[in-house]
Amino acid sequence: LAKTTQPISMDSYEGQEVNITCSHNNIATNDYITWYQQFPSQGPRFIIQGYKTKVTNEVASLFIPADRKSSTLSLPRVSLSDTAVYYCLVGPHKNQGGKLIFGQGTELSVKP
Amino acid sequence: GAGVSQTPSNKVTEKGKYVELRCDPISGHTALYWYRQSLGQGPEFLIYFQGTGAADDSGLPNDRFFAVRPEGSVSTLKIQRTERGDSAVYLCASSLDPHRSLASEDHGYTFGSGTRLTVV
Repeated sequence: LAKTTQPISMDSYEGQEVNITCSHNNIATNDYITWYQQFPSQGPRFIIQGYKTKVTNEVASLFIPADRKSSTLSLPRVSLSDTAVYYCLVGPHKNQGGKLIFGQGTELSVKP
Repeated sequence: GAGVSQTPSNKVTEKGKYVELRCDPISGHTALYWYRQSLGQGPEFLIYFQGTGAADDSGLPNDRFFAVRPEGSVSTLKIQRTERGDSAVYLCASSLDPHRSLASEDHGYTFGSGTRLTVV
């Protein structure tokens, strides 16, 4: 399974756009790129998933270059409630039965 | 239910004791997963059930850990002879059949809030 690398922590201020980049050099052809968000005392929550180019939903955008060796999660105009840990995952891969492999994640702190 | 329910939310036990952690998945979800999360780390896969059978238990750290899902719904994670190193948050997740689609949104992959286990 492809390994992911992302910054350990990031700081931002309310109203700013936050971009978190993740590296996944060994991504396989069948792999999707998935981002999860986790608040304290809660389980991870799915944010967005993509395979290539750009995906946008009501929460975030995901930018994936043509080589798919990295991806960038973009959170527009963050608020204090966006303070959380964000995980970049490669998968779920069909042959792994939906098992998710988490890295250490990026701890985002949004300040007033 | 509306979400994945885990009980208890907190469990404190003495070293050497036996504990059981319960997971009640979303109704209709055939797949169920257990993860363990230590402080400052991402969740670590333990075991995956498809229906009643354990399809992948490669993440269980040793034979003190065991999980069952006898009727294909509720699952229990059992830890024998607990050690202080077992202290962590144990997360459960459930999903629709993951072999139907690769996309998480199609799976409805949903985590519970976890059980915080403290071994003293």
